[in-house]
Amino acid sequence: GAVVSQHPSRVICKSGTSVKIECRSLDFQATTMFWYRQFPKQSLMLMATSNEGSKATYEQGVEKDKFLINHASLTLSTLTVTSAHPEDSSFYICSAREGQSNQPQHFGDGTRLSIL
Amino acid sequence: SQQGEEDPQALSIQEGENATMNCSYKTSINNLQWYRQNSGRGLVHLILIRSNEREKHSGRLRVTLDTSKKSSSLLITASRAADTASYFCATGGEETSGSRLTFGEGTQLTVNP
Repeated sequence: GAVVSQHPSRVICKSGTSVKIECRSLDFQATTMFWYRQFPKQSLMLMATSNEGSKATYEQGVEKDKFLINHASLTLSTLTVTSAHPEDSSFYICSAREGQSNQPQHFGDGTRLSIL
Repeated sequence: SQQGEEDPQALSIQEGENATMNCSYKTSINNLQWYRQNSGRGLVHLILIRSNEREKHSGRLRVTLDTSKKSSSLLITASRAADTASYFCATGGEETSGSRLTFGEGTQLTVNP
């Protein structure tokens, strides 16, 4: 149980393109979803937290107009990287949690974004 | 602020040996979780230990938590080559500090066959 599907797994696109990444909880309702960014050989950096039906809470230093997050249902959250540039190239990972904060987060398999 | 520092950063052992990874943190926590990440993949949840618990087991995994020292350890017994991965601890704050997890820098474990 507790499967999170993240799509696409890899994106290669030109600078200036907007890219949408989907995160779905397949067998549970995700009260809260999280978006992380991970650089090579480094830890996960939380970008934003989203609760279904409300605006995402962004971490300090993360541009909300650059990284648009939509959490339209209890099973789907999307991250759109708008007008992506090479410095946005990274590994983006979503996670979803059912219920309270003392429950584990379940992670997608990540999206490798490469901007040329 | 960075929470969850892990040591060692890298650990290389032979199959069958035990692997111990440590995690230290700075602030009060509600729970501490350990995750595993294979290269280029997402994270897999291993164990969650609450702040009022001292030890927890799951199969070959044993996690301890010492809130007085603000530290935790993950022990993998009888390691296998398939255990090769990065292991992260993550602290869950108290309710008043929100629902976020703060991840440590991770330990890269290599188990040689």
